[in-house]
Amino acid sequence: QQQVKQSPQSLIVQKGGISIINCAYENTAFDYFPWYQQFPGKGPALLIAIRPDVSEKKEGRFTISFNKSAKQFSLHIMDSQPGDSATYFCAASIGAAGNKLTFGGGTRVLVKP
Amino acid sequence: GAVVSQHPSWVICKSGTSVKIECRSLDFQATTMFWYRQFPKQSLMLMATSNEGSKATYEQGVEKDKFLINHASLTLSTLTVTSAHPEDSSFYICSARPLQGASNQPQHFGDGTRLSIL
Repeated sequence: QQQVKQSPQSLIVQKGGISIINCAYENTAFDYFPWYQQFPGKGPALLIAIRPDVSEKKEGRFTISFNKSAKQFSLHIMDSQPGDSATYFCAASIGAAGNKLTFGGGTRVLVKP
Repeated sequence: GAVVSQHPSWVICKSGTSVKIECRSLDFQATTMFWYRQFPKQSLMLMATSNEGSKATYEQGVEKDKFLINHASLTLSTLTVTSAHPEDSSFYICSARPLQGASNQPQHFGDGTRLSIL
């Protein structure tokens, strides 16, 4: 059972464009939703995270939008740069930020110069 | 801050041997560490949760006798792949949950260990 579904699987965007990745979850007990960036051969690095008490969170060029009623959340990467080319994972957990994570399937983003 | 180091970063060994992977939190203490496995172009799958001073909790379908986990201190957890076979070849990643301020602290990930079994 895939509790966190992520789409698209891959994405190509031009430099300066907006990358949008979507995730949907099933377990209504989830209350912490982080996004991770992973480069080849490296571990994932936390980009930004949100809790259900807010509908949007922005940090630099990265924005999370959260829709509790639809059980969906998305990552927007504004002004995409070639250095943003990586695999992005959404995740979800229950309770404390460091609790067990359930990851989405991942989205490979390629930013063309 | 919040650095997690894995060693080795890459290991190649013969089928049937056992391989130990170390996960260290360098600048913080962690009562809980997690071990993930990631196959090429796939997501991270949680294998087990490692708790300092107690037995690890394994996810469904993960063989506890094959993947031995020891969390002997607040900064070190080890994963031993016993009698490794080619199908165990994968990218193994650990993460650590800081002890201090635990409710607000996310997991910090290591850079993974690429295991290749010949």
